[in-house]
Amino acid sequence: RKEVEQDPGPFNVPEGATVAFNCTYSNSASQSFFWYRQDCRKEPKLLMSVYSSGNEDGRFTAQLNRASQYISLLIRDSKLSDSATYLCVVNSFSSGSARQLTFGSGTQLTVLP
Amino acid sequence: GAVVSQHPSWVICKSGTSVKIECRSLDFQATTMFWYRQFPKQSLMLMATSNEGSKATYEQGVEKDKFLINHASLTLSTLTVTSAHPEDSSFYICSAGPYEQYFGPGTRLTVT
Repeated sequence: RKEVEQDPGPFNVPEGATVAFNCTYSNSASQSFFWYRQDCRKEPKLLMSVYSSGNEDGRFTAQLNRASQYISLLIRDSKLSDSATYLCVVNSFSSGSARQLTFGSGTQLTVLP
Repeated sequence: GAVVSQHPSWVICKSGTSVKIECRSLDFQATTMFWYRQFPKQSLMLMATSNEGSKATYEQGVEKDKFLINHASLTLSTLTVTSAHPEDSSFYICSAGPYEQYFGPGTRLTVT
């Protein structure tokens, strides 16, 4: 079983649609959770951290359920510029304070005009 | 957010040669940096953890003698791909950060 599993996708949605991505992780000791987006042939960029209480950043809402080891990302009113691969990322601690990240395989989103 | 740079952004080399990739933290000090590799249509795979002033920690299956890592200062880590072969062609990305990890822009290596 993979440490971090995501919806395989791809998701093709019209502009303005709401789309949800799901992710599960296997290490119950994981401490921090993130969503990154990666554009084609570019590096991943942090979209948002995910907190137990749930958090929202504009059109993006992230949820974490520690009991189920489940993370979600909701995108409302999707824009063409949201087209990217979304990576569910979970940390495991390395030495010191740095974070060693484990990446899901990513879910590709294409927003259609 | 924190800024991480990488150099070069792309490189083409002949089989058997060595290539050095630099990763720098520009506005913070990084005692630890991470090196990843990403093949087309696959996710990032951690190769090694680079520790300032000590040996790198390599993930299972990554040859430490082939992928040499040097973290000589708090702002610079280098990855050298020695005796590169076409199967080493990939997108190499480093990351560092005081809390969240920020990624360098990546280096696209093509070995001919």
